[in-house]
Amino acid sequence: AQKVTQAQTEISVVEKEDVTLDCVYETRDTTYYLFWYKQPPSGELVFLIRRNSFDEQNEISGRYSWNFQKSTSSFNFTITASQVVDSAVYFCALSEDTGNQFYFGTGTSLTVIP
Amino acid sequence: ETGVTQSPTHLIKTRGQQVTLRCSSQSGHNTVSWYQQALGQGPQFIFQYYREEENGRGNFPPRFSGLQFPNYSSELNVNALELDDSALYLCASPSGKTGVSYNEQFFGPGTRLTVL
Repeated sequence: AQKVTQAQTEISVVEKEDVTLDCVYETRDTTYYLFWYKQPPSGELVFLIRRNSFDEQNEISGRYSWNFQKSTSSFNFTITASQVVDSAVYFCALSEDTGNQFYFGTGTSLTVIP
Repeated sequence: ETGVTQSPTHLIKTRGQQVTLRCSSQSGHNTVSWYQQALGQGPQFIFQYYREEENGRGNFPPRFSGLQFPNYSSELNVNALELDDSALYLCASPSGKTGVSYNEQFFGPGTRLTVL
């Protein structure tokens, strides 16, 4: 079974629109960590945020915000006032305290149209 | 800049050949992980090396092997290449000195391998 599910394969929005990328995870560990990465066309994965399972406080960083809800096992990512430079593939990932690997979702390809 | 470099950038091989991919990290961290990212997919964990020993492996056959050197550089070797091995290969080094699970992984730019 997939540990991380990103149901949205592709999303297109017009510049300045808000967009939310969904992430649902599955784990039996009580301690775990959730991440979001951005992968531009160049291919390098760029770290965006880390969240641990004990911290459900939502976080905002500029135009980016994250909503972590343990009750629904979700860790969603919202971009406010999207820009063309936000066009990329975004990956959600899970790391369990009992393991040493990251489990990635299949990614959501975001296209921001000028 | 993540401080993680990989070489070569691109590589074309034919089925049955062997390939070696390289990775180095400026952080000098003693842990390195390798991931395979097929087209349109998320990265899949191949294995991790810690202090020059394999420290966990994903669902990959033994023809995928690795080495980590005292200077913390690393190699991924793939023998008997198959068409399905065509992918972007990423190496990653954690940001901090504590457990890997806690720290974000810093990824290199990847090596794109094409098997014909």
